[in-house]
Amino acid sequence: SQQGEEDPQALSIQEGENATMNCSYKTSINNLQWYRQNSGRGLVHLILIRSNEREKHSGRLRVTLDTSKKSSSLLITASRAADTASYFCATQNSGGSNYKLTFGKGTLLTVNP
Amino acid sequence: SAVISQKPSRDICQRGTSLTIQCQVDSQVTMMFWYRQQPGQSLTLIATANQGSEATYESGFVIDKFPISRPNLTFSTLTVSNMSPEDSSIYLCSVEDWASGDGETQYFGPGTRLLVL
Repeated sequence: SQQGEEDPQALSIQEGENATMNCSYKTSINNLQWYRQNSGRGLVHLILIRSNEREKHSGRLRVTLDTSKKSSSLLITASRAADTASYFCATQNSGGSNYKLTFGKGTLLTVNP
Repeated sequence: SAVISQKPSRDICQRGTSLTIQCQVDSQVTMMFWYRQQPGQSLTLIATANQGSEATYESGFVIDKFPISRPNLTFSTLTVSNMSPEDSSIYLCSVEDWASGDGETQYFGPGTRLLVL
């Protein structure tokens, strides 16, 4: 089954505004990780949140996790043009091959100067 | 975090040929993985590269098409064999180091952009 469905698929905002991206998944997880990808290049790891955590912060990033709803959100505050990228969530499932990352389809964020 | 490099960064190949992609890590890591990202799509795990043994492939991927080597804890190769235009993708390696403080985090290389004509 597919994990990590993000919405929206695309988001366009003005510099200085906040951007919120959501991710839903289907099975039990050990953790959920958010990545950024600029123009089809490599992935940059942003933040990892474990299944027993509800919220994490890193600089202008805030991630929440609601395991009862099987959903997560990534908030980027005070966005900058340099934040323009695709953002992916990825889950590591509990049990079995629990190292495997299953990626969502991603959200393309455009921050207009 | 580990520093990961990939060679080549990009290539244009003719159908029917093969390409070997290298992934080098600056430190020993527990796990190494290979992913494929088709144009406009998300990432899909191809296989886990096991040191000293055969790779573990995900459903839909086979060794004859994507042979993988991992001779030590810092290096792995992925070969895309008998290529067709459908193999045009970005291929990325990733690593996890369970011995480090953030062992659950997967770090990715810069990717290899492959175009098959």
